[in-house]
Amino acid sequence: GQNIDQPTEMTATEGAIVQINCTYQTSGFNGLFWYQQHAGEAPTFLSYNVLDGLEEKGRFSSFLSRSKGYSYLLLKELQMKDSASYLCAVRDSNYQLIWGAGTKLIIKP
Amino acid sequence: DGGITQSPKYLFRKEGQNVTLSCEQNLNHDAMYWYRQDPGQGLRLIYYSQIVNDFQKGDIAEGYSVSREKKESFPLTVTSAQKNPTAFYLCASRSLAGDGSEQFFGPGTRLTVL
Repeated sequence: GQNIDQPTEMTATEGAIVQINCTYQTSGFNGLFWYQQHAGEAPTFLSYNVLDGLEEKGRFSSFLSRSKGYSYLLLKELQMKDSASYLCAVRDSNYQLIWGAGTKLIIKP
Repeated sequence: DGGITQSPKYLFRKEGQNVTLSCEQNLNHDAMYWYRQDPGQGLRLIYYSQIVNDFQKGDIAEGYSVSREKKESFPLTVTSAQKNPTAFYLCASRSLAGDGSEQFFGPGTRLTVL
């Protein structure tokens, strides 16, 4: 079967760095996406990885290792507005997105 | 401004009634998707469409129906056959040009069946 695993919840301090991990087992791989979702709102796109390595975009970076079926999202200089759920999704061989349940990130002052 | 709209934001229905959720996009995207989101679970695909007048079932299509008569519109009907319809419904669209294009989401409709 297809499976995406992420921690359910993480807590971090304002100004710090946090790494959210995602492991996956899917039928085929055509890219991995990270989305941010504030409570009751739509997911918004953060990053896309299809090749191994690190993609940096401002305070956010995303890493992919296809051989290990592993990705992480790194958030630096955390701000209170970063409190949200972070969703990992893998595009499979049918070009459909398989979604993880999301990681709820709580930022404390 | 380009984007995706869903209406209404909140919807209440009595058990046994059909209800239709609206989704409109002006991004000129070919592909459109309907997802359902429940607490503690990932988004689950209900239906998707890549071209007008054609659509495909997703993982949880039972109890739902869709139509794609126009490129801009992809309404979802939740029928009385859906056993547990209370959920947050998200519509998304995507350009089929290029390899890495992400899905853009509408604001969602929270359906509560009483």
